[in-house]
Amino acid sequence: DTGVSQDPRHKITKRGQNVTFRCDPISEHNRLYWYRQTLGQGPEFLTYFQNEAQLEKSRLLSDRFSAERPKGSFSTLEIQRTEQGDSAMYLCASSPNNLQGTNYGYTFGSGTRLTVV
Amino acid sequence: AQTVTQSQPEMSVQEAETVTLSCTYDTSENNYYLFWYKQPPSRQMILVIRQEAYKQQNATENRFSVNFQKAAKSFSLKISDSQLGDTAMYFCAFMKQMGAGKSTFGDGTTLTVKP
Repeated sequence: DTGVSQDPRHKITKRGQNVTFRCDPISEHNRLYWYRQTLGQGPEFLTYFQNEAQLEKSRLLSDRFSAERPKGSFSTLEIQRTEQGDSAMYLCASSPNNLQGTNYGYTFGSGTRLTVV
Repeated sequence: AQTVTQSQPEMSVQEAETVTLSCTYDTSENNYYLFWYKQPPSRQMILVIRQEAYKQQNATENRFSVNFQKAAKSFSLKISDSQLGDTAMYFCAFMKQMGAGKSTFGDGTTLTVKP
């Protein structure tokens, strides 16, 4: 297993365009998380899934944001009608259902850096 | 809502020395978990150490240890024998209960290890 993969690594888009990011978690992990990180700040929670079910979504997430995990494996995060304020690093993480043993906490991907111009 | 505060935006330490990063948090929960994550300049976040609130013993992982003071809601990270590879941003994070979902992160401390 190569860890958590995110694609693309970088995305530059024009304001008003739609963008979609993909995350492939560690295969044994049934929990998948999306966070957003802006420069100089800590990651901010967006949403998370257990298998294919979206269990929580941040109130900060506007209707322009949607996430899916259709088969409980990979996930996509879509931002519609992008705004300059959406420019950030979008981080995906996965974890097993029980944080025990030597595999615990989140395993993060490298992130997708979005720039809206 | 939980909050996590890291009051030291930047710190530096000489190689082989010891450094302590501070973290305080606010919660009304009794059972929770605390984490320190490291984010090197390459930007991939890595878990450093984890502490369960019900355990009185402080967690230790090789050169990394924590000082967990539950009553004071303090969770500091001590790095011994600092190495150049420890240069990174360090984030303190709170999770309400095991596997509950989201974590709340502090804004981080940028640590520079100087040769």
